[in-house]
Amino acid sequence: EVDLVQSGGGLVQPGRSLRLSCRGSGFNFGAHAISWVRQTPGKGLEWLGFIRGRSYGGTTQYAASVKGRFTISRDDSKNLAYLQMNSLKTEDTAVYFCTRDRISGSYYLEFQFWGQGTQVTVSS
Amino acid sequence: EVELTQSPGTLSLSPGERATLSCRASQSMSTNYLAWFQQRPGQAPRLLIYGASTRATGIPERFSGSGSGTDFTLTISRLEPEDYAVYYCQQSGSTPYTFGQGTKLDLK
Repeated sequence: EVDLVQSGGGLVQPGRSLRLSCRGSGFNFGAHAISWVRQTPGKGLEWLGFIRGRSYGGTTQYAASVKGRFTISRDDSKNLAYLQMNSLKTEDTAVYFCTRDRISGSYYLEFQFWGQGTQVTVSS
Repeated sequence: EVELTQSPGTLSLSPGERATLSCRASQSMSTNYLAWFQQRPGQAPRLLIYGASTRATGIPERFSGSGSGTDFTLTISRLEPEDYAVYYCQQSGSTPYTFGQGTKLDLK
């Protein structure tokens, strides 16, 4: 059974950093792209970026709103993906989800499997 | 950036009724890259439909998707109690991937 379990998150002050983790199980982790999506009451669901699987060399893409501040990485030996968030702003307050693509090796990603979500609150 | 606009914002229907949800894209897109999600309170989104019309694994037949170009529709043929939730469309044809703002399906 495919499962994504997230960890990290919590309360952080503006300007500080935080790293979220997403551990996959039940599938060939390195073969799949992992994306990060966040959700706020005001802006709804927002795609943040992805890291592709090994067939695409683990390349990354980011939304403009987080490019340069957020970094997605992966450690396939540990079945882990990360979202490193730097220079956090109050508007980064959201529930953050990791998601897995439906089919490995697909260029266009379909978000079939989701982590449970983790709350990040940026406040002084 | 492809903007997705969903309508209506809220849809109030009774169990057994038919629900029709709309998603309009700001530019024409391939049907291959339009998906629909269901989200219940406190849960992650659940993939219902991908490729505009293909049901994801385990999704009941009462859910169907259609459309092309800029206009897409999610239809729930006969509402069950567990269908009351928020529904989102999403495109993955070009980055940034984008979501619609959602349609809330309410119990009438």
